[in-house]
Amino acid sequence: DTGVSQDPRHKITKRGQNVTFRCDPISEHNRLYWYRQTLGQGPEFLTYFQNEAQLEKSRLLSDRFSAERPKGSFSTLEIQRTEQGDSAMYLCASSLGLVLETQYFGPGTRLLVL
Amino acid sequence: KNEVEQSPQNLTAQEGEFITINCSYSVGISALHWLQQHPGGGIVSLFMLSSGKKKHGRLIATINIQEKHSSLHITASHPRDSAVYICAVRKENTDKLIFGTGTRLQVFP
Repeated sequence: DTGVSQDPRHKITKRGQNVTFRCDPISEHNRLYWYRQTLGQGPEFLTYFQNEAQLEKSRLLSDRFSAERPKGSFSTLEIQRTEQGDSAMYLCASSLGLVLETQYFGPGTRLLVL
Repeated sequence: KNEVEQSPQNLTAQEGEFITINCSYSVGISALHWLQQHPGGGIVSLFMLSSGKKKHGRLIATINIQEKHSSLHITASHPRDSAVYICAVRKENTDKLIFGTGTRLQVFP
């Protein structure tokens, strides 16, 4: 257990539905990252926050994706109008925000869109 | 071409063997990470390197900045080392990580 939690751990939904995932980082960490990992591939960066500010978004993050970190603590990732191609593991990580440091990963939320 | 390449993609070993996983990258970096991912998804950070060599137990990681290459070595491999090992780099002037596709290691008793 790294101290980063994600909820839910698994989600099955039908195409077109909206889904929301939550990440609770290690409490003193001010950086929070979202990644997506498809089967057999390494994770891909989606977005990251410094406290409540969203500092960078990947081009992978289409208009159907939105992420928030309203109070600089937990974060949510919402996918609207899900598509089958959204099926993946969504990983969250957190860090203190120092230049040379480790990111601590949560267990991930596995999404299956039918 | 991916900015981070790993080899081999799959690796099978007998318990006790010495294992090497390689990572090459094509961008300027501020740090390189070696990560371990077990079935079910959880990722654990093994090493973060900006130069030289680090050792932790049976694991050794090295990096050659000039050659843009890193290796992860496992000495006296054990079945519990079976996992996917992922190399990730932190590009210069950014905070995001770019990941390799991973090396799936299976160690048989």
